[in-house]
Amino acid sequence: DQQVKQNSPSLSVQEGRISILNCDYTNSMFDYFLWYKKYPAEGPTFLISISSIKDKNEDGRFTVFLNKSAKHLSLHIVPSQPGDSAVYFCAARRGGGADGLTFGKGTHLIIQP
Amino acid sequence: SAVISQKPSRDICQRGTSLTIQCQVDSQVTMMFWYRQQPGQSLTLIATANQGSEATYESGFVIDKFPISRPNLTFSTLTVSNMSPEDSSIYLCSVEVGAGANVLTFGAGSRLTVL
Repeated sequence: DQQVKQNSPSLSVQEGRISILNCDYTNSMFDYFLWYKKYPAEGPTFLISISSIKDKNEDGRFTVFLNKSAKHLSLHIVPSQPGDSAVYFCAARRGGGADGLTFGKGTHLIIQP
Repeated sequence: SAVISQKPSRDICQRGTSLTIQCQVDSQVTMMFWYRQQPGQSLTLIATANQGSEATYESGFVIDKFPISRPNLTFSTLTVSNMSPEDSSIYLCSVEVGAGANVLTFGAGSRLTVL
């Protein structure tokens, strides 16, 4: 039973346009959400996060939106750049900080020149 | 943020053998997490390793198959025992950046292929 779902295995976006990556979760105990970016042969690197008490967090070109009632979050990248081509993982964590993260399967973002 | 070194970065192993993966962190951390990423799958938590106590394993993972050591606050090992082709995965070590920070930093991973 997947508690964090990324239903799009891949996404192709033209350079300069907006990339929108989606993530759904089922566990209402999750209260912290993160996005990680992964290049081949490297470990995932932290990108941006959001606490469940917020509905938006912005960091430069990256914005994460959280809709708690729908148990849905999305990552917006604008404008998209060629270096953004990577696999993006959505992850969630329960309160308390002692647990690891629960990850989605990832979305492979391809930025077309 | 912490810098994590994992060894080996990749290996090809024979069925029935065991391999130990090492994880070294450049700072002292309380919790270390071991993950597995099977081909085309998400990262799955294997166990949480605290220094001075037994590792806590997630459902579906057992100590006999994945023994873990945590001898100090900067080092941990994960052994994949009696390997089969189904164990072919990327194994990743991660640590929490600051107590309660919620963000995990990952090593580059160890890619194991079992023949």
